[in-house]
Amino acid sequence: AQSVTQLDSQVPVFEEAPVELRCNYSSSVSVYLFWYVQYPNQGLQLLLKYLSGSTLVESINGFEAEFNKSQTSFHLRKPSVHISDTAEYFCAVSERGGNTPLVFGKGTRLSVIA
Amino acid sequence: DARVTQTPRHKVTEMGQEVTMRCQPILGHNTVFWYRQTMMQGLELLAYFRNRAPLDDSGMPKDRFSAEMPDATLATLKIQPSEPRDSAVYFCASGSPERDEQFFGPGTRLTVL
Repeated sequence: AQSVTQLDSQVPVFEEAPVELRCNYSSSVSVYLFWYVQYPNQGLQLLLKYLSGSTLVESINGFEAEFNKSQTSFHLRKPSVHISDTAEYFCAVSERGGNTPLVFGKGTRLSVIA
Repeated sequence: DARVTQTPRHKVTEMGQEVTMRCQPILGHNTVFWYRQTMMQGLELLAYFRNRAPLDDSGMPKDRFSAEMPDATLATLKIQPSEPRDSAVYFCASGSPERDEQFFGPGTRLTVL
C-alpha cells in the first residue's frame, strides 16, 4: 500500500519570496511521483513528475521538485512566487503513470500575498 | 486539444434522488478512473476501469454507487439513492500505458440537500 503525507495544509508567502511545499511518501514498491495543481473551481493539472533518471525535475513555470529516495520525499520548490501561483497543490504517487491509480496527499493551499 | 469531458459540471439534488455523472475519456486512452474530492477526505479513488473492465471499485459504497463503461467513449457513475454525505466534487481521469500521466476532467460538483 502507498501513502502520501503533505506536512503543511496551508502556506502563505509574499510575492517574489521562495517557497517549499513538502511531500513525503510511503510505498513497498517503486513508484512514480507527481505534483498536481488545482486552481479555484477547476480540475487538476499536472505540474511535474518523476519517473526515473535525474532526481531533479522542473516545470515550465519555474517550479522544481527533487526526489530523495533515502528520505522518501519529493518536495516542491519555487525560488520566486507570483500571485498567479495561488492554488492548491497535491503530491501523488502511483505504481505506474497513466494506467494505475494515484494516491494523493491531502493538499497544500499556497496563498501568495501581494 | 484532447481533453476529458464530464457532465454535468454542477448538480444540485435532493436526498433520495438518483444522480448520474458522465465522463468521456480521451480517445485512445484505455484506463478510466473516478476520484472523489471532499474537504475531509481529500482526493480518493472510487473505481477504475481498463479496457472497459472494472479493476477496482473498493472505494465505492457498494449499496448505492455503481460505475460502468457502456463503451470505450463513455464512463458513468451513478448514485442511487443519493445522501447529503455524497456532496463532493467527482473527477474522472483517463490514461494509457503509453503515457506517464493521467488527464483529469473538470469535475462534477454534486450537492445533495
